Amino acid sequence: NAGVTQTPKFRILKIGQSMTLQCTQDMNHNYMYWYRQDPGMGLKLIYYSVGAGITDKGEVPNGYNVSRSTTEDFPLRLELAAPSQTSVYFCASSRGAGSPLHFGNGTRLTVT
Amino acid sequence: GQQLNQSPQSMFIQEGEDVSMNCTSSSIFNTWLWYKQDPGEGPVLLIALYKAGELTSNGRLTAQFGITRKDSFLNISASIPSDVGIYFCAGQLGMAGTASKLTFGTGTRLQVTL
Repeated sequence: NAGVTQTPKFRILKIGQSMTLQCTQDMNHNYMYWYRQDPGMGLKLIYYSVGAGITDKGEVPNGYNVSRSTTEDFPLRLELAAPSQTSVYFCASSRGAGSPLHFGNGTRLTVT
Repeated sequence: GQQLNQSPQSMFIQEGEDVSMNCTSSSIFNTWLWYKQDPGEGPVLLIALYKAGELTSNGRLTAQFGITRKDSFLNISASIPSDVGIYFCAGQLGMAGTASKLTFGTGTRLQVTL
């Protein structure tokens, strides 16, 4: 059982470039999330989705976009990368409201 | 937004010692969760607490959901080298019809010496 799978594991971007961070889960969870983790800090919510076709902003959504066309996939898009987006990004999923989150292993992104 | 204060920020202990860490919030939560993160990996759920006053164990780990719903603690007994990592508390409102958005603490970095 793979759980939550994120790709790539590492990426270096130049300022202004764009990229998509991929996330897929095989647990048939309705809810999916994107968090970022900055050094020495807890995780902050970027976007979340309660089901296919439904997305909503979290605490720090600026500079990001998401889509949820299927239950399994929840990609995160950076359109114009900025140094402030250097971080480790974690995707997570949960069965429903109040259910614990299951995390992927993260994507480490550096913007130079 | 909601703030979670987690303490201590870091601790060095010797193998076999007991460890205690806690988390306090400026507002109430319906669920408290404790996660452990190893280097290069995502957080892994250790214990979930769903009811004020609840005391739950998972092997050598014990966690409690504070009566006021604004705090929680995690104890690790007889620590071993593989306990090394960063421990995060997280509060969750988990209200019906909303997503399970978590508010995370800033983590406690645990290092165990032989």
